[in-house]
Amino acid sequence: AQTVTQSQPEMSVQEAETVTLSCTYDTSESNYYLFWYKQPPSRQMILVIRQEAYKQQNATENRFSVNFQKAAKSFSLKISDSQLGDTAMYFCASLNMDSNYQLIWGAGTKLIIKP
Amino acid sequence: GAGVSQSPSNKVTEKGKDVELRCDPISGHTALYWYRQRLGQGLEFLIYFQGNSAPDKSGLPSDRFSAERTGESVSTLTIQRTQQEDSAVYLCASSLSRLAGGQEETQYFGPGTRLLVL
Repeated sequence: AQTVTQSQPEMSVQEAETVTLSCTYDTSESNYYLFWYKQPPSRQMILVIRQEAYKQQNATENRFSVNFQKAAKSFSLKISDSQLGDTAMYFCASLNMDSNYQLIWGAGTKLIIKP
Repeated sequence: GAGVSQSPSNKVTEKGKDVELRCDPISGHTALYWYRQRLGQGLEFLIYFQGNSAPDKSGLPSDRFSAERTGESVSTLTIQRTQQEDSAVYLCASSLSRLAGGQEETQYFGPGTRLLVL
């Protein structure tokens, strides 16, 4: 069965610092997508960034970028110049395109940005 | 707005009562998903609808849980004879299509319904 592991239950950094959230996954599929979602206290699950497994280039979205290491099955999220509004739960998820198309979720990392 | 909407935002009920949760997907999205999120935990898949195909009910935890969707629009998740362990946030998401690949696979979420069973 496919699994997604986020080994950091909670992290906190000072505003403007850079922080990296780790995620590893386990899949035997060759065609899959990886996602980072953010869930602030408002509960709204917001897509942060996505990565297609067939693409070697790391996805970036403004201050958010990923370090996708396919061989190591690692998909970390880097947040540069962190802001107070980045405080949220961050979930890593994978989506198999060849089998059941289900999003498999990690347990989440609680990120706190301190002023 | 153009996003996924859910109602009610909060629901308090007594053990044994039935509840109905509603989800309005983004217009034009053919795929719709329900998830459950217990306090401090990740998301559990419950059920998925794709167009007029038979739904994937593989995540429903018991026969007390059911869901319906009218065409490619509104969906309702029904929990019968609620139990205290049903207390959670129920999230709905939609995507353009689950089968097309590419950007269509990205799921967009509603704000959720927080259910508390006393």
